[in-house]
Amino acid sequence: NAGVTQTPKFQVLKTGQSMTLQCAQDMNHEYMSWYRQDPGMGLRLIHYSVGAGITDQGEVPNGYNVSRSTTEDFPLRLLSAAPSQTSVYFCASILGTVNYGYTFGSGTRLTVV
Amino acid sequence: AQSVTQLDSQVPVFEEAPVELRCNYSSSVSVYLFWYVQYPNQGLQLLLKYLSGSTLVKGINGFEAEFNKSQTSFHLRKPSVHISDTAEYFCAVSEETGGFKTIFGAGTRLFVKA
Repeated sequence: NAGVTQTPKFQVLKTGQSMTLQCAQDMNHEYMSWYRQDPGMGLRLIHYSVGAGITDQGEVPNGYNVSRSTTEDFPLRLLSAAPSQTSVYFCASILGTVNYGYTFGSGTRLTVV
Repeated sequence: AQSVTQLDSQVPVFEEAPVELRCNYSSSVSVYLFWYVQYPNQGLQLLLKYLSGSTLVKGINGFEAEFNKSQTSFHLRKPSVHISDTAEYFCAVSEETGGFKTIFGAGTRLFVKA
């Protein structure tokens, strides 16, 4: 069981570039989320999905898009990267019946210059 | 809306000493509570959770936490820490009937000294 797999692990972007952070899980979890982690601010919810075809915004959705075409995959798109998006991004999933706690990926460290 | 406050940003402690990491939450409805641990350059790992039942919950690595509804707290404790417990610890809250949206605290960095 791979759990939650995030790629890439590291990425440097120039301001204005776009990119997609990949997230895949093999546990048949219905609920998936994207968080960003910044020093002193904990984790902030960007977008989440309760199942294939259904997504919604979290606390800090501006500048990001998501889609959920399959149960397994939940990519996060940065439309036009800005230095304020420099952060560590985590994808996480929950089975989807009761919130027994997230399974997290290992993260993507993104730097926007 | 929910919120989580971790009262200490850093906690230094000597090896084999006890430790308490404090967490207070705010919510108008019943909640589930969690503690996660993050080792350097890794993702978060679930340490323990409170869903219902006994207010004292035990987790991995000898940690435990107590849910206090009247004080809206969920403090994490360990009677004797090891060097390997050095990590960042996050308290998190999720509404019982609000889906799975989870709000995290800012984190407490536990530093265990020899």
